[in-house]
Amino acid sequence: AQKITQTQPGMFVQEKEAVTLDCTYDTSDPSYGLFWYKQPSSGEMIFLIYQGSYDQQNATEGRYSLNFQKARKSANLVISASQLGDSAMYFCAMREGTSGTYKYIFGTGTRLKVLA
Amino acid sequence: GAGVSQSPSNKVTEKGKDVELRCDPISGHTALYWYRQSLGQGLEFLIYFQGNSAPDKSGLPSDRFSAERTGGSVSTLTIQRTQQEDSAVYLCASSLGGSSNYGYTFGSGTRLTVV
Repeated sequence: AQKITQTQPGMFVQEKEAVTLDCTYDTSDPSYGLFWYKQPSSGEMIFLIYQGSYDQQNATEGRYSLNFQKARKSANLVISASQLGDSAMYFCAMREGTSGTYKYIFGTGTRLKVLA
Repeated sequence: GAGVSQSPSNKVTEKGKDVELRCDPISGHTALYWYRQSLGQGLEFLIYFQGNSAPDKSGLPSDRFSAERTGGSVSTLTIQRTQQEDSAVYLCASSLGGSSNYGYTFGSGTRLTVV
């Protein structure tokens, strides 16, 4: 069965430093997608970045990059130059590609606090 | 519309009552999803609609939960005989297609409190 694991319930980072949020996944489907979402205290879910299982390069979106290690089944999110506004919950999610459903499975999240 | 719209934003109901939660997806988005987020928890998949295909109802926790999507647009999630454990934020999301690489666009959610 597919599964997403986020082992860090909470993280602290100093403003302007980089931080890595861990995510490991488990699937037997050769085709899948990995996503990261940010959920500020206001509650909305904001899409950050996507990595496809067949992508050769790690995805990047501005200050966000995804450290994709397929053999280890990990998809860690790296936030560079942290800002106070990055304080939020971060969720890793996986979508299997061949099940026909395209539902996402979410991890339990990591709460990031950026310190001034 | 410009975004995914959910109503009501907050709902307080008495145990045993039925509730209806509404989701209006982004125009043109063929895929629509319902998730539930309990306090401090991750998102739990409930149901998925894609075009005219039969919905994937595999995440509905009990037969008290049902959902429909009329005309391929607006969706309603109905919870019958609500229980206190149904208290959560119910999030709706839509996407251009199930395989979109741009993720879902989520609504702001309906916070349901069963007292």
